[in-house]
Parts: sequence; C-alpha cells; structure tokens
Amino acid sequence: ETGVTQTPRHLVMGMTNKKSLKCEQHLGHNAMYWYKQSAKKPLELMFVYNFKEQTENNSVPSRFSPECPNSSHLFLHLHTLQPEDSALYLCASSQSTGGHSYEQYFGPGTRLTVT
Amino acid sequence: DAKTTQPPSMDCAEGRAANLPCNHSTISGNEYVYWYRQIHSQGPQYIIHGLKNNETNEMASLIITEDRKSSTLILPHATLRDTAVYYCIVRVGYSGNTPLVFGKGTRLSVIA
Repeated sequence: ETGVTQTPRHLVMGMTNKKSLKCEQHLGHNAMYWYKQSAKKPLELMFVYNFKEQTENNSVPSRFSPECPNSSHLFLHLHTLQPEDSALYLCASSQSTGGHSYEQYFGPGTRLTVT
Repeated sequence: DAKTTQPPSMDCAEGRAANLPCNHSTISGNEYVYWYRQIHSQGPQYIIHGLKNNETNEMASLIITEDRKSSTLILPHATLRDTAVYYCIVRVGYSGNTPLVFGKGTRLSVIA
C-alpha cells in the first residue's frame, strides 16, 4: 500500500467508448504523473502535473485527456482509443518542493484492454 | 532515452546477496541515482537513491563509485519476494517534478 490508489484496476473498452481512469494520492504530495507501460516496453511518461498545472505532455495523442482538479486527484479521460493503446496505465505522485528527496510513489495501475 | 545501462537479467540464490550493477557514464553533477523495482504487473516501488555517498536503508544498500560513473544496488539477503525488474535511473535532484525515465532494467530471479 503506497498511498496512491487507482480505479478501476482492470478496464475493457471498445474503440468508440469513452471512459476515465482515476488516481488519488493520500500523501500530501503536489506533483502527479501518468505513465504508460505497454507489453515488453519500458514505462513511458505521459503527463506531469505540479500544483494542478500541467507541466509536461510527452507528445501524447489527443485521445488521452488528463485532468487534475486538485493536488490529490488525477484523471485520464479516454475516447476513441486504438487497440495499440492497450497497456498498464500507472499513476504516481511526489513532493516537488521543500528540499525533499522527491521519490515517486506509484499506484497499482489500471490494466486497459481496447477491443 | 534512459541514461543508464543494466544487464537484462540476473539470477541469485535465496539468502545470498544480490548485487545489481548499473553504468551511468554520462551522469551530470546535479543528477542523483535512483533505484526502483517492479514486481510483475504492479506499480514500481522506490528502493533507494544517492548522489555520491554510499547509502543504506531497510531495503538495500547503494554503492556509487568515486567517479560516479557506475553504481551497485545490493540486496543483502535476497528472498523469493525480491524477484522483480530493477530499474536504475539518473535524475536531476533539484526539481521535484522531474519525471523518471525508465530503461529496460534488470530482471532479477531469486532461486530457492
């Protein structure tokens, strides 16, 4: 239990569906991240939010739309996905100020299958 | 791209020390060495990090060479639950929201 929760843990969706992934951190952190891990590939950064503001978008297609309403919650809205978007989607959080060591804590991930 | 090089796989007997090497020959003066591990299909877990001094915590020890071009993660008494992919990552330390850049890591298999 890392203090970062993700729901749902598993999701199967068709290419025309709209769904959302949710991440919540209970650690008092102010930075949150989305990563994607496809089969047999390294984890790839998707988005970074710091104090609710997006600070990095790693050239992610617009069919992935993040939302960060506050420092504790992060969403990833999905629409018209492709089968190659099937992957493990991981959320992480970290402290970003105050001289902390800034290690990131990851949630358990959402296993997404696009049919 | 990841700035580190790790062997793709290693085996270790249960109860023995597991020594996982990492090369980071282009590391900059303001970059820390971080280690994470990922047990199958779970989120990565932070293990330890360091700048230039050796570090130890309840999970592992980190030995960084004097020139900082390589490091070794030591699990002193490996158990079957330590079977995982271990990632060595270099990351700027002064900015807290700098993302992690993962490579392929080392798949450690602990054998009974």
